[in-house]
Amino acid sequence: DGGITQSPKYLFRKEGQNVTLSCEQNLNHDAMYWYRQDPGQGLRLIYYSQIVNDFQKGDIAEGYSVSREKKESFPLTVTSAQKNPTAFYLCASSMGPTFRSSNQPQHFGDGTRLSIL
Amino acid sequence: KQEVTQIPAALSVPEGENLVLNCSFTDSAIYNLQWFRQDPGKGLTSLLLIQSSQREQTSGRLNASLDKSSGRSTLYIAASQPGDSATYLCAVGTNAGKSTFGDGTTLTVKP
Repeated sequence: DGGITQSPKYLFRKEGQNVTLSCEQNLNHDAMYWYRQDPGQGLRLIYYSQIVNDFQKGDIAEGYSVSREKKESFPLTVTSAQKNPTAFYLCASSMGPTFRSSNQPQHFGDGTRLSIL
Repeated sequence: KQEVTQIPAALSVPEGENLVLNCSFTDSAIYNLQWFRQDPGKGLTSLLLIQSSQREQTSGRLNASLDKSSGRSTLYIAASQPGDSATYLCAVGTNAGKSTFGDGTTLTVKP
């Protein structure tokens, strides 16, 4: 079945440590996104990529980094510069700008919950 | 900057009742609007997507409407069931592929 896989499901970070969250999709989508969700709130965009080897900052990119070396993969690194990393992180994908239609739903993974030790 | 508001933040109804969830946005120049369902600790499941040129979309017991001029969308759920209990989020999309989300409405349907 096609879909988006996020791993791990739970992740713990020590002070001063960088951690990387994995996101893989087999939907053949060009566009991928990372969101952060805090309790009782909606999603805020961290980074997004509309095509391989290209990505843009979202609304809350400080303290995070990404790469897009393969179409299927869009890993997110939470760096030590992110002082409040505890949150639920969601990865999504959509067909992207080459599919010129506004009928492009976003598909989501099951999320990674990051906590501080 | 686009802002998306969902009211109420929480809603509790008895089983069988019809209900409406509201979503409002500040910038009417949208590309599309998507309604999602989120179960506790899970990702988002897409329910309905309305393109900017459309007024409504229907899927089973769900009907979503869009009025760009007034900056409003509604999600109508008919004959609610306990299994409908979840948080419902709306997201307004741009042609750059970015989406702005509301904070959601948490729905509880009591048996």
